[in-house]
Amino acid sequence: QPQLQESGPGLVKPSETLSLTCNVSGGSISSRDFYWGWVRQPPGKGLEWIGSIYHSGRTYYNPSLNSRVTINVETSKNQFSLRLSPVTATDTAVYYCARRDIAAIPAAKTGWFDTWGQGTLVTVSS
Amino acid sequence: QSVLTQPPSASGTPGQRVTISCSGSNSNIGSSIVNWYQQFPGTAPKLLIYSNNQRPSRVPDRFSGSKSGTSASLAISGLQSEDEADYYCAAWDDSLNGVLFGGGTKLTVL
Repeated sequence: QPQLQESGPGLVKPSETLSLTCNVSGGSISSRDFYWGWVRQPPGKGLEWIGSIYHSGRTYYNPSLNSRVTINVETSKNQFSLRLSPVTATDTAVYYCARRDIAAIPAAKTGWFDTWGQGTLVTVSS
Repeated sequence: QSVLTQPPSASGTPGQRVTISCSGSNSNIGSSIVNWYQQFPGTAPKLLIYSNNQRPSRVPDRFSGSKSGTSASLAISGLQSEDEADYYCAAWDDSLNGVLFGGGTKLTVL
């Protein structure tokens, strides 16, 4: 079973850039069977999908964040990353990276998040 | 409309059967598979049901999912205290062109 691990600063100042990396171990990020995504959860609230990326670089972003978010994949390092800029206090949340299994029907709209990282809390504050 | 609606809370006593609903529209549940996630406080969500009604091998058969039209349901039979958690439905939304999560349902075992 693969493992995903988020890393990055836990504190970001307003108007600056939130940068997180998800390291994938125990499986290849280049597999055709998976998309890779980011999901966040503000304290005490529900889950919000941020975006997903395929190993080819094809991306899908939540329209509510589209102008501020960038997800990249680095196949040589078996990792993918999230950049969100500029941030405000409302971006304070636990950020999860997750693997989306599309093996059954290979398409972005199919699939499910079958493996998750443990999550990392990012606080936006001066 | 890109919204998946779940009741904010649900409850039951040990041994009971409870259901959690997830209501959507033709742009999401009506045209996509539904997945369910279970989340305990302070931990990452875990896949509970995928492709409407399939269970990962580690998930007990007390958990089941169904979908009809633009609505889906999660059923838990033989409720146990360890089932107390938050439950989220999710589906791809064609209008959003992305993944939509329901607001979540907090299940309390009385």
